[in-house]
Amino acid sequence: TAGITQAPTSQILAAGRSMTLRCTQDMRHNAMYWYRQDLGLGLRLIHYSNTAGTTGKGEVPDGYSVSRANTDDFPLTLASAVPSQTSVYFCASSDSGGPDTQYFGPGTRLTVL
Amino acid sequence: RKEVEQDPGPFNVPEGATVAFNCTYSNSASQSFFWYRQDCRKEPKLLMSVYSSGNEDGRFTAQLNRASQYISLLIRDSKLSDSATYLCVVILTGGGNKLTFGTGTQLKVEL
Repeated sequence: TAGITQAPTSQILAAGRSMTLRCTQDMRHNAMYWYRQDLGLGLRLIHYSNTAGTTGKGEVPDGYSVSRANTDDFPLTLASAVPSQTSVYFCASSDSGGPDTQYFGPGTRLTVL
Repeated sequence: RKEVEQDPGPFNVPEGATVAFNCTYSNSASQSFFWYRQDCRKEPKLLMSVYSSGNEDGRFTAQLNRASQYISLLIRDSKLSDSATYLCVVILTGGGNKLTFGTGTQLKVEL
């Protein structure tokens, strides 16, 4: 079982360009999440989805959008990247939207120049 | 003030030592508490949940003190493989599964 996969592993992006970070899980989990991790700030929630067809904003949603067309996929889109979006992005999933264990993907290291 | 605060360390300890980390949280409405472990350049993984009565898993013991709003993690007989960053995680009441992370405490276990 793959669990959660993310793509790409890393990316260098020019400011102003758009990009979609991909996340796929094969555990049939209902809830999925996107976090960013920055030195000294810890992991912060960007967006989440408690079930397919629904999404919600986390702590730092500005500049990002998500969609949840099906259970398995939860892509994160940067419409016009800025250098402050340089970070490590982790996708996660959990069985429900309650206080369950979250399983994290391996992360995408994004650099915006 | 940060919602979840941890001493960043690093804590450098010899193999076999006992080491303890504390974590304080600011919101008294926090309902669920966890310790996650993160190895360098890897994803976080759940180490253990923290229950009101305290709980133990092998060499690891977690405790919660609601009155003082802190949780702790005790590692006995440290192994080299315990070297990692330990993340304190809190869920607020009514917060669903929205995790609030501390910035982590780095542990280095040395020979």
